[in-house]
Formats: sequence, C-alpha cells, structure tokens
Amino acid sequence: DIQMTQSPSSLSASVGDRVTIACQASHDITNYLNWYQQKPGRAPKLLIYDTYHLKSGVPSRFSGSGSATHFTLTISSLQPEDMATYYCQQYDNVPWTFGQGTKVEIK
Amino acid sequence: EVQLLESGGGLVQPGASLRLSCAASGFTFSTQAMSWVRQAPGKGLEWVSTISGRGSGTSYADSVKGRFTISRDSSKNTLHLLMKGLRAEDTAVYYCVKDQTVAGTFDFWGQGTLVTVSS
Repeated sequence: DIQMTQSPSSLSASVGDRVTIACQASHDITNYLNWYQQKPGRAPKLLIYDTYHLKSGVPSRFSGSGSATHFTLTISSLQPEDMATYYCQQYDNVPWTFGQGTKVEIK
Repeated sequence: EVQLLESGGGLVQPGASLRLSCAASGFTFSTQAMSWVRQAPGKGLEWVSTISGRGSGTSYADSVKGRFTISRDSSKNTLHLLMKGLRAEDTAVYYCVKDQTVAGTFDFWGQGTLVTVSS
C-alpha cells in the first residue's frame, strides 16, 4: 500500500497568512493526488484534484503543486472560513489512501 | 445538484450484519463509479470500497475484504454496502461518495451515517 504522510499535523496561523501543507507519498504517484477539506462536524469536500486542478467553486486562494512523491497545498491568504482539517489522498493505486490530516486553526 | 443521502446506520453487536444504502440524485448514476469512505470517531479518512458505473468491477480495502459487499441498483439510483461480521473497529461514520470521471477522486460526499459496533 502507498503511505501518505502529511506535515504538519496541525498549525495555527493568522488571517491573511500564507499557509503551506506538505504531503509525501511512499511511492511515486505521478500527479494522482487530491486534497480535501473537512470542517468540524461536516463531510469532507474535494478542493483540488490531479495535484493542481481546483474543483469548480473553490476559491483561488487555494492551490496545489508537486509531483512524484512530494506535494503541497497552499492557502495564499488564510480566511476564517478556512479553519478545517485538510487531507491529501492518492489514487495511483488501490487501496486509495489518505494522509492523516492537517488541522488548520486561526490565531 | 448532486445529492447523496445515506441511511441504515445504527448500533449493532459484534458479529452482526448491517446494510447501508445511499440514495443518489442530480447526476447520471448509472455511469459514475461510487465509493464508500469511513471515518472512525476522531480519526482520519479510510477508503472502504468502490464499484464501477456498470457495477461489474468492485474493489475493497483489505480491512473489509470478505466481510463487506458493495452493490448498486441503477433502476433506483441507489448504492448499498452490506456489512457482515462487524467488529468494534468498524465503528465509524460511513460516507457515500460519488467518484469523478476517473475512479478514486471523490468529488461529492453524502452527510454520512454512523455505524457503532458494541456489545
């Protein structure tokens, strides 16, 4: 199975800050990497697919980058509504696997 | 508008069976792969199973293989997950998920249904 490791596990930042979340795959997954946002008590939502494609309706302050085994989710200017847990997920090989999540809090 | 509405969760004893259902609307159900993803209380996300649009192809996580069966009824736009031999570690919120064009990208999620396995 492909292991996905996110860092950090949690972070606290101020409104307007640039936030970066890293995701590392245990094997080369080319660009088969998605990012999800889960707000407390809610179902996850797809933010970014295929490493950098924003799902329709997702604010442009979110962006994704990377390839092979190293990937990044960036929030260019953190907003209060971005408080959530973010998960990366690979779909290069079954079983599809998720990172452990990064909890983003607002200072 | 895509809508996914799960039902069938509840409290069961270890070893029991349970069938989850997901009523889908707002898209052409018969052409889209569908999946189940679960989340244990306070934990992260775990993919459980995926079924192809035509229902001919299925895949399962090792943790549920041989115990869970995914199926679909395209005449009723409904996805099912039959769970047998339930264990305490199966306790989770189970989400019904619509896959994007390529299976493995989960682009719409239901609100989830809680399954609790406890004596």
